[in-house]
Amino acid sequence: KNQVEQSPQSLIILEGKNCTLQCNYTVSPFSNLRWYKQDTGRGPVSLTIMTFSENTKSNGRYTATLDADTKQSSLHITASQLSDSASYICVVRPAANAGNMLTFGGGTRLMVKP
Amino acid sequence: GAVVSQHPSRVICKSGTSVKIECRSLDFQATTMFWYRQFPKQSLMLMATSNEGSKATYEQGVEKDKFLINHASLTLSTLTVTSAHPEDSSFYICSAPMARELNEQFFGPGTRLTVL
Repeated sequence: KNQVEQSPQSLIILEGKNCTLQCNYTVSPFSNLRWYKQDTGRGPVSLTIMTFSENTKSNGRYTATLDADTKQSSLHITASQLSDSASYICVVRPAANAGNMLTFGGGTRLMVKP
Repeated sequence: GAVVSQHPSRVICKSGTSVKIECRSLDFQATTMFWYRQFPKQSLMLMATSNEGSKATYEQGVEKDKFLINHASLTLSTLTVTSAHPEDSSFYICSAPMARELNEQFFGPGTRLTVL
């Protein structure tokens, strides 16, 4: 069964600090792995997308890494801001899936405090 | 800007009534759209795949007679929660893949349904 596990479930950090969120998956083979940010009461918004051949992808203060051998990905947030408080969801799209079905992680709820 | 819209953003209704939620793809066509529900502090759970021109495909455990899906056009899918009950209260989100963006899924802003 395809699974995506995220850790930690929740995290509290002080404004300006860095943090790293983890994502382990069993989906194989996969087409791509995406990190989404979901603000409370809003839909998810894409931060990064990586194919199996990519190791890292940056989007401003967000940097995602991917190790396809160990099936692990991380999202690193640099110099956190209060607006980074949200849920971060790791999503894996299986390969050769005509239905575009996605496997969602449970998310990490990040709270940035002043 | 937003590429997938949902309407309404929130709705409160009485038990037994039906509620329709619209999902529109803006500036692109989507032959397939997806409907999710999300409970507090949980991740998204796929409910069904909406297919333009054919019947929707429902995930295991989702009642098709309870959650009616109609993919009316290449830019519109609707989810109707029939005879709503308090346990149907949830956050409903749709998504659509954009072909010109390598089928990346774009999510709508969600609809908060509260059934009294």
